Amino acid sequence: AQSVTQLGSHVSVSEGALVLLRCNYSSSVPPYLFWYVQYPNQGLQLLLKYTTGATLVKGINGFEAEFKKSETSFHLTKPSAHMSDAAEYFCAVCTGGYQKVTFGTGTKLQVIP
Amino acid sequence: DGGITQSPKYLFRKEGQNVTLSCEQNLNHDAMYWYRQDPGQGLRLIYYSQIVNDFQKGDIAEGYSVSREKKESFPLTVTSAQKNPTAFYLCASSPDRTGIFGYTFGSGTRLTVV
Repeated sequence: AQSVTQLGSHVSVSEGALVLLRCNYSSSVPPYLFWYVQYPNQGLQLLLKYTTGATLVKGINGFEAEFKKSETSFHLTKPSAHMSDAAEYFCAVCTGGYQKVTFGTGTKLQVIP
Repeated sequence: DGGITQSPKYLFRKEGQNVTLSCEQNLNHDAMYWYRQDPGQGLRLIYYSQIVNDFQKGDIAEGYSVSREKKESFPLTVTSAQKNPTAFYLCASSPDRTGIFGYTFGSGTRLTVV
């Protein structure tokens, strides 16, 4: 079985501050991990994904995430928040083998000027 | 450019009426999915199809129906049996049935009961 937990349904940061969105997963086999972003009234867009290899993954718009097996975490970070980063972010896990992707419940990021 | 097209963007349904949401992809992806999104509840899987002429129920299939007659098309019908259909509906696709490459999403259809 696989699951993903996003800590904090709402996160607020000041413009220029560090963005940290938390994601923990549960999986009995090595996971594939994803972060998606959703702007209001739009679909989800893939930000980045971890498959195998390097544990620090860089994505679009300056975001990155680090896979930490010992902590079963895949937190999303960005050094300096921009107003355009305000959106909802979803973490997702997949274990392959014809298992569907499981999505977290999302974290809404507010950026304060 | 390749992608997923959902139509219409906004849809209004009267009580007791069936409506069909369109989803078309030109990515040559094998698998397609329908999700329902309600505030604070994340994405809930309605139906998915991993190959033409085959589809499976997701977590909340009651009151919905689908077909997959062509690889590029996966329409969703919201029937009158769905008692609370007002929601944002998202269609997605993936290259294969494993999901390991991630999903591509359409821009969604917002359905409102009037």
